[in-house]
Amino acid sequence: GAVVSQHPSWVICKSGTSVKIECRSLDFQATTMFWYRQFPKQSLMLMATSNEGSKATYEQGVEKDKFLINHASLTLSTLTVTSAHPEDSSFYICSARDLRGTSGNTIYFGEGSWLTVV
Amino acid sequence: GQQVMQIPQYQHVQEGEDFTTYCNSSTTLSNIQWYKQRPGGHPVFLIQLVKSGEVKKQKRLTFQFGEAKKNSSLHITATQTTDVGTYFCAGRNFGNEKLTFGTGTRLTIIP
Repeated sequence: GAVVSQHPSWVICKSGTSVKIECRSLDFQATTMFWYRQFPKQSLMLMATSNEGSKATYEQGVEKDKFLINHASLTLSTLTVTSAHPEDSSFYICSARDLRGTSGNTIYFGEGSWLTVV
Repeated sequence: GQQVMQIPQYQHVQEGEDFTTYCNSSTTLSNIQWYKQRPGGHPVFLIQLVKSGEVKKQKRLTFQFGEAKKNSSLHITATQTTDVGTYFCAGRNFGNEKLTFGTGTRLTIIP
């Protein structure tokens, strides 16, 4: 079946540095990917919609200069947390929509990336 | 903006008992999806409901979409320890690819 892979699974970085998280659709093309943030024991909050070949669409309250999204190919979207601070520590999850065949409305999530900023 | 609420927030049941979580949207939805997230894991797609009043079953799981397409429910019959996790509904509005996730219901099973 379709698989969405995220890398890295875990990352610890120093405050003030930048971290890049990759989201790949392994066996299907995804013109649209979504980035979510999840705090412990809370729901998933959509941060932005990543569109292949164009600018990402950010949700209200999400700083686009802090959370840079690049969707350079049909199988890869990246989220860069710039000048990370401890309050950016969270679980970041991407998802991609598989438009093929009868599963045209199935959304697959990546395994998620735990970011800890120290 | 759109809000999707789920109740209860937590549910503890004895193994073998039934479990139900309810999902309510502030707006009419084009479709609703259900996901399961195990502790420490990522959400896994369970099912999508599109039609008003639709009912779908997956073994011990029964999913229902309300007539007004603003609410949904997930019922698990005779829970097992493998059912542990948080169940999220996620609603999509018409003409919009975005999913708005519900607040989730965390299910724990007492063996």
